[in-house]
Amino acid sequence: EAGVTQFPSHSVIEKGQTVTLRCDPISGHDNLYWYRRVMGKEIKFLLHFVKESKQDESGMPNNRFLAERTGGTYSTLKVQPAELEDSGVYFCASSPRDHYEQYFGPGTRLTVT
Amino acid sequence: QKEVEQDPGPLSVPEGAIVSLNCTYSNSAFQYFMWYRQYSRKGPELLMYTYSSGNKEDGRFTAQVDKSSKYISLFIRDSQPSDSATYLCAMTRRGGKLIFGQGTELSVKP
Repeated sequence: EAGVTQFPSHSVIEKGQTVTLRCDPISGHDNLYWYRRVMGKEIKFLLHFVKESKQDESGMPNNRFLAERTGGTYSTLKVQPAELEDSGVYFCASSPRDHYEQYFGPGTRLTVT
Repeated sequence: QKEVEQDPGPLSVPEGAIVSLNCTYSNSAFQYFMWYRQYSRKGPELLMYTYSSGNKEDGRFTAQVDKSSKYISLFIRDSQPSDSATYLCAMTRRGGKLIFGQGTELSVKP
């Protein structure tokens, strides 16, 4: 069974540009999460989808971040316009319905210059 | 004050040693506790998952949860160089978002 995949693995963009990150969860997992780790800090929650619905978006830092999960399969996280403080590693995780353990993808390393 | 505190290390031990990794937390509502292992430039890999208080063993790994003290531990027996990684504790109330510790960097020397 394939794990959680994320694309791209690394992205370097200039301040003010737009970047879209993609996550493909484990097949059949209803729950999809986005997390972020900035340098020197712990991994922090951004957003939780149950199928295509946003269950909890309390961790989204501001309205420059937009997450979607059309059709309840893969998800995208768009940052527009990117700021320097958005640099970090963005992780996606998934879990089956009614299960609390989460399986993480390899992450997307975002560098904003 | 952070909800979850974890000593970032680094922690260096000789091969074969018993390793003890710990986290403390402040929110008594946490019920599900996880340990992840993360190798450099990789995503966190789920190692152990425990519900409420008690012990859970899986091979060389043992997870302990003491909810009365708000303290969780991960023990690694007969540590190997391949165990060298960052270990992250994480916890949640009833599913949903995980709250992570900062991670402890472990190095096992041959």
